[in-house]
Amino acid sequence: ETGVTQSPTHLIKTRGQQVTLRCSSQSGHNTVSWYQQALGQGPQFIFQYYREEENGRGNFPPRFSGLQFPNYSSELNVNALELDDSALYLCASSLPRGRARNEQYFGPGTRLTVT
Amino acid sequence: KQEVTQIPAALSVPEGENLVLNCSFTDSAIYNLQWFRQDPGKGLTSLLLIQSSQREQTSGRLNASLDKSSGRSTLYIAASQPGDSATYLCAVPQGGSEKLVFGKGTKLTVNP
Repeated sequence: ETGVTQSPTHLIKTRGQQVTLRCSSQSGHNTVSWYQQALGQGPQFIFQYYREEENGRGNFPPRFSGLQFPNYSSELNVNALELDDSALYLCASSLPRGRARNEQYFGPGTRLTVT
Repeated sequence: KQEVTQIPAALSVPEGENLVLNCSFTDSAIYNLQWFRQDPGKGLTSLLLIQSSQREQTSGRLNASLDKSSGRSTLYIAASQPGDSATYLCAVPQGGSEKLVFGKGTKLTVNP
């Protein structure tokens, strides 16, 4: 059973650019959630995808968008990057609530630095 | 709106000591609570998940308890080791959703 994987590991972008982060969910998991973690803070929920549809969104602007593919892998896209977008971006996969305790499994994260 | 607080923010102990990390949450209508470990610059490792119907869960030297009515959970680490040094985060779902709300974590340092 493979765990959650994310790519790339690190990324440096310039303010105003666009970025795409990728996540492969744990085998058998059809729900993917994305979180942003600023230095010294707990992760903040960005959005969740279930069976290729957005299934809940946190307090993030529309320039944060996502996709989920038929194989349940997912992308997080951020447009018009701002300095405050510098953070660790975490992806988590899970089975839907009611199945196997709904435990969320996190990937290693992508460290994004915006200069 | 669910809010999670973790106390203390940082803790430094000598090797071998037993310790307790605290987590409190404002909305007791949760269906589970999860404790995670995070090493510097790394992702989150799930340690324990407690369902709302349970009062505690154990894994090795770790024991987590849950008191929904008072909005509290504790993570007990027995016989701490330097390898336990990390940040420990607790998280609960927001309302009936699967969105997790996290505390800011407790940074634990275990000194040899």
